[in-house]
Amino acid sequence: GDSVTQMEGPVTLSEEAFLTINCTYTATGYPSLFWYVQYPGEGLQLLLKATKADDKGSNKGFEATYRKETTSFHLEKGSVQVSDSAVYFCALRGIQGAQKLVFGQGTRLTINP
Amino acid sequence: DSGVTQTPKHLITATGQRVTLRCSPRSGDLSVYWYQQSLDQGLQFLIQYYNGEERAKGNILERFSAQQFPDLHSELNLSSLELGDSALYFCASSGPKGNTGELFFGEGSRLTVL
Repeated sequence: GDSVTQMEGPVTLSEEAFLTINCTYTATGYPSLFWYVQYPGEGLQLLLKATKADDKGSNKGFEATYRKETTSFHLEKGSVQVSDSAVYFCALRGIQGAQKLVFGQGTRLTINP
Repeated sequence: DSGVTQTPKHLITATGQRVTLRCSPRSGDLSVYWYQQSLDQGLQFLIQYYNGEERAKGNILERFSAQQFPDLHSELNLSSLELGDSALYFCASSGPKGNTGELFFGEGSRLTVL
């Protein structure tokens, strides 16, 4: 079945550092790919998405490019802030069947001032 | 605010008991999804309903059941509770078929089984 593998955390960085969180997937065809963020005490909210190969999703300085050849959707940000501290989830929606999202395990990110 | 409402926010109960978690989807959304988030297992899909009918089933235990009512709100029933059922239970909703695939999540119901 479809699956998502994320870089294990926790990840701790200093403010203004460069961030990469790796995400790879296994799925049939061309799934849609998502990054969700969960701030402390809150539900998940969509950060960015890409629905076809080579698409780049971007939001709030974060970017991720849908790479079909490497089945990857790595999350990047050039200069992180303390307010980016959260848990980040990579997810996919398969092309068949229901519209449920399959999530990775999540990566906890802490940014120190 | 995602527009998805979950109640209760926190619930503490004992082993062997039964609880009901409630979810109101965003206005106009026909699909409701339930997910379980535990420390050691990440975010696990439990079940999906679309316009009152079960659409997909994931890793949902037989002790758990759900339904979606005509007004589109959904309830997740957890019975014969065990310590391992302690988790954060999320409800999410989405729009009609053919949408972009985004799910809108509630803030979750935190269940603690003692």
